[in-house]
Amino acid sequence: AQKITQTQPGMFVQEKEAVTLDCTYDTSDPSYGLFWYKQPSSGEMIFLIYQGSYDQQNATEGRYSLNFQKARKSANLVISASQLGDSAMYFCAMREGSYQLTFGKGTKLSVIP
Amino acid sequence: DSGVTQTPKHLITATGQRVTLRCSPRSGDLSVYWYQQSLDQGLQFLIQYYNGEERAKGNILERFSAQQFPDLHSELNLSSLELGDSALYFCASSVAATNEKLFFGSGTQLSVL
Repeated sequence: AQKITQTQPGMFVQEKEAVTLDCTYDTSDPSYGLFWYKQPSSGEMIFLIYQGSYDQQNATEGRYSLNFQKARKSANLVISASQLGDSAMYFCAMREGSYQLTFGKGTKLSVIP
Repeated sequence: DSGVTQTPKHLITATGQRVTLRCSPRSGDLSVYWYQQSLDQGLQFLIQYYNGEERAKGNILERFSAQQFPDLHSELNLSSLELGDSALYFCASSVAATNEKLFFGSGTQLSVL
């Protein structure tokens, strides 16, 4: 079974609009971390945001926020006020306990002017 | 700039050859991870080192090996290369062995012809 599921292979959003990228995860470990990374066409992986399983509040980093719904095992990324530079692949990832990151297959976001 | 340096950025070689990919972690980071990204497999964890010691192994082939040196830089050696080894190879680093935040280098694009 997939540990990280990103059901949206591709998405379009109008510039200046908000967009939500979906991520669901599967783990029985009570201690885990959830990550979002951005990969622009240039190829590098850019860390965006992190949410720990014991964190009480949703993580926020500038225009990025993580909508963490523990009972539903979902960790959606919300990008507010989209910009053209947000066009990229976005990967959700999970760390269980002390193990390494497991990545989802990614969502390609295209921002339309 | 994540602070993680990978060289070379691009590598073109022939089947059967051996190559070495190099990674310098962020200043102060003790843990280094290697990931492989291909179109069909997505992002796959290969191996992790922490302060010079192998910490965890993922889907790393026997033809591949890695090490972390006393100055904490790491090298990934790929031998008897096959066409299917063509991929983007990422190095990442974190402060501790259990990665709360993982910072990636810009990757080495390997093309095996």
